[in-house]
Amino acid sequence: GQQLNQSPQSMFIQEGEDVSMNCTSSSIFNTWLWYKQEPGEGPVLLIALYKAGELTSNGRLTAQFGITRKDSFLNISASIPSDVGIYFCAGLNSGNTPLVFGKGTRLSVIA
Amino acid sequence: DAGVTQSPTHLIKTRGQQVTLRCSPKSGHDTVSWYQQALGQGPQFIFQYYEEEERQRGNFPDRFSGHQFPNYSSELNVNALLLGDSALYLCASSSTGWPETQYFGPGTRLLVL
Repeated sequence: GQQLNQSPQSMFIQEGEDVSMNCTSSSIFNTWLWYKQEPGEGPVLLIALYKAGELTSNGRLTAQFGITRKDSFLNISASIPSDVGIYFCAGLNSGNTPLVFGKGTRLSVIA
Repeated sequence: DAGVTQSPTHLIKTRGQQVTLRCSPKSGHDTVSWYQQALGQGPQFIFQYYEEEERQRGNFPDRFSGHQFPNYSSELNVNALLLGDSALYLCASSSTGWPETQYFGPGTRLLVL
């Protein structure tokens, strides 16, 4: 089935550094969502983007919906140890269509 | 306000058995979607229920079936379990209309031996 290309696959960063990850698709989406998943838990919604070009922040997290509607990026500023986890992007076209996920970016933060 | 809840949290079955997983959506949500997440992968869509009917289905065999009840809660049934069915099963709830966002439960970890 369709899958989004998410990069990088994994990142090891020092505490306090900024992080950037992105997601691309061969087809357009009307909504982009970013989730964080920790071991043994379900994905937790971080940011939802509904409009091409939209830039949205949630605390230290900032995400953008690409103008072409085929990509999105997530930035985390001043990383802290609790940022550790797997970050997934997901695309959605309408409420009655399924979410399409990337394979995730595994983030490790070194104190 | 309770979020999405799922039960059980963990389950161990043997090949050939049948399993039922349960999900209660977030308050105010009427749509439930089920996903399978294998280790190291992103969630894969199984099916979606709305108004007690299956509205969309992903690329999963008929061994996977579901149900939605009048109170919007849902069940996922898997028959004739295979070793490859071992995964984290996630339920996501959403509401028809704006905004189009899905919220996930904690998942049920299924191990098939």
